[in-house]
Amino acid sequence: DSGVTQTPKHLITATGQRVTLRCSPRSGDLSVYWYQQSLDQGLQFLIQYYNGEERAKGNILERFSAQQFPDLHSELNLSSLELGDSALYFCASSVGGGSPIGEQFFGPGTRLTVL
Amino acid sequence: AQSVTQPDIHITVSEGASLELRCNYSYGATPYLFWYVQSPGQGLQLLLKYFSGDTLVQGIKGFEAEFKRSQSSFNLRKPSVHWSDAAEYFCAVGARGATNKLIFGTGTLLAVQP
Repeated sequence: DSGVTQTPKHLITATGQRVTLRCSPRSGDLSVYWYQQSLDQGLQFLIQYYNGEERAKGNILERFSAQQFPDLHSELNLSSLELGDSALYFCASSVGGGSPIGEQFFGPGTRLTVL
Repeated sequence: AQSVTQPDIHITVSEGASLELRCNYSYGATPYLFWYVQSPGQGLQLLLKYFSGDTLVQGIKGFEAEFKRSQSSFNLRKPSVHWSDAAEYFCAVGARGATNKLIFGTGTLLAVQP
């Protein structure tokens, strides 16, 4: 158990819908990262928040957004869902936000299926 | 731009045999390097990491990896594979700078034959 929790574990929804994925980092970690794992794209970095502020952005679609709240939990919002958004979404956390780099601890993931 | 290449998509080894999983990276300076393992239906677990210093790093579960700057490689090794090592293995590079984001390779799926 990494100490990172993600809810829900599974999510099934229809095209055009909007969903919210939630992540609680390990106690004491200030950074939260979101990654998408799909068959065709592999594991891709989406976005990083550090202590409530956006720190880095990767290949995140405009239909996707995230935020980190004062209690440090994070939410990833996916809207206007398409079939291709079906994937496993991982959240990770670390103590710091940049150099020196620290270990990232990964949650179990949320499996999103868009029908 | 940073990138990671894992040339072997799928590898099968016999239990008790040695294992080497290949990883090549592209980065302008000395990177941070990681190996993660993902068991079916699970999240990613860190096996080992290289930041600086000794180029041979030891990790959990009997794994080790060697950083070779001249070859831009960070191959993962294990002298004797156990059936429980069957999983997908990901090499990743982390930038030195304002973010800790990781760039992952495409993964190598390891099957272990009895």
